[in-house]
Formats: sequence, C-alpha cells, structure tokens
Amino acid sequence: EDQVTQSPEALRLQEGESSSLNCSYTVSGLRGLFWYRQDPGKGPEFLFTLYSAGEEKEKERLKATLTKKESFLHITAPKPEDSATYLCAVQATGSARQLTFGSGTQLTVLP
Amino acid sequence: NAGVMQNPRHLVRRRGQEARLRCSPMKGHSHVYWYRQLPEEGLKFMVYLQKENIIDESGMPKERFSAEFPKEGPSILRIQQVVRGDSAAYFCASSPNSVNTGELFFGEGSRLTVL
Repeated sequence: EDQVTQSPEALRLQEGESSSLNCSYTVSGLRGLFWYRQDPGKGPEFLFTLYSAGEEKEKERLKATLTKKESFLHITAPKPEDSATYLCAVQATGSARQLTFGSGTQLTVLP
Repeated sequence: NAGVMQNPRHLVRRRGQEARLRCSPMKGHSHVYWYRQLPEEGLKFMVYLQKENIIDESGMPKERFSAEFPKEGPSILRIQQVVRGDSAAYFCASSPNSVNTGELFFGEGSRLTVL
C-alpha cells in the first residue's frame, strides 16, 4: 500500500528564517510526486511535480527536491503570506490516476 | 476563466437524509476527481470520472455512495442515508487530459455536516 508521511506536522518560523519540510514516501513504483499548498477553507493549489530522483523545481521562495525515498520543500526567507498547509502526494505506476496524500505540514510565518 | 466550481459550499443533513454535491470542472477539462478530507486527516481519493464514464471508483465506499459525470451538466457525488461519519470536506478536482493527472485544479470544497 502506498504511504506518504510528512514532517513536521506544524512549523512556526520567523519571517526570513529558512527551513525545510519533509515528505517520506513508500510506493511500488513512482509515477510522480506532487506538492500542493492549501489555505484554510480552500482547496489545494498545485505547486510542483517531480518525476525522478535528483530532480529539482523552484518557484519564488520555494524549492522542491526528490530522492528515492523522500522529498523536501525548502522555503528560503519566508514571508507571512507563505503561511499555509503544504501537502505532498504520490502517484504510483499502475494506480490509474489517484493521488495518495500525506497529512500535511502546517506552516506559520510570523512577521 | 472560472475555476472548478463546487456547490453547495456548506451542507447540513440529519442522519438518514441524502446529500448531493455538485462539481463543474474548469472550462475545457473533461476529467473529474472527488477526494474526501476528514478532520485531522489527509485527502483521500474517492473516484475518477470522465464524461459519462467512471474510470476508477476504488476509493469510494461500496454502500450509499455514488458518482456520475453526465454528458451535460456537472459531476454529482451522491451520499444516501448519511451517517455522522460522513461529515467531511468533499473536494472536486479537474484536469484537462489523462497525461498530467497529478496536476489537479481543485475547487473550494463542499463541507458536509451530519447531525
């Protein structure tokens, strides 16, 4: 069974204090790993897709990386508007099209 | 270009009633997915549909739950004889094709409360 574990569950940072979120996964064969951002009361918003170990993607203050066992979402010099829950999901080969999501990391950036 | 539209945003039902949740995908998208988010839990896949076809319903409970995506009109997730455990946020997502199916556009969700 595919599994995704995210850590920490919650993270509080001061504005400008860089950090990383972790996503560990177990999947029979990886079709893709996805990062989403979810604001309170809203639906998830797509951020990145990673397909193979060693791949990196960047968008503004966010950078996602992938190894064979885990992915990291690095946040550089965060701002209060980066506060949200960040979700990691995997799509396995042969699983049709469903995503298996982790429980998320709730990030709070204090001004 | 309107995003994924879900309604109602909030729905309250008593045990034993029926709940119907509607989802209009983004313009040009013909693939619809339903996910459920229970309190303090992650999103769980329920069903994947294309127009007039259910492609994968492996995540949907066998009893009381059904989904459709007719040729005309929105996709509908129907829950019959609701129980308290059905209380959750139900999210619909869409994608334009069957290639990049992990890059989903989500609606804002329908929050079902069962009294």
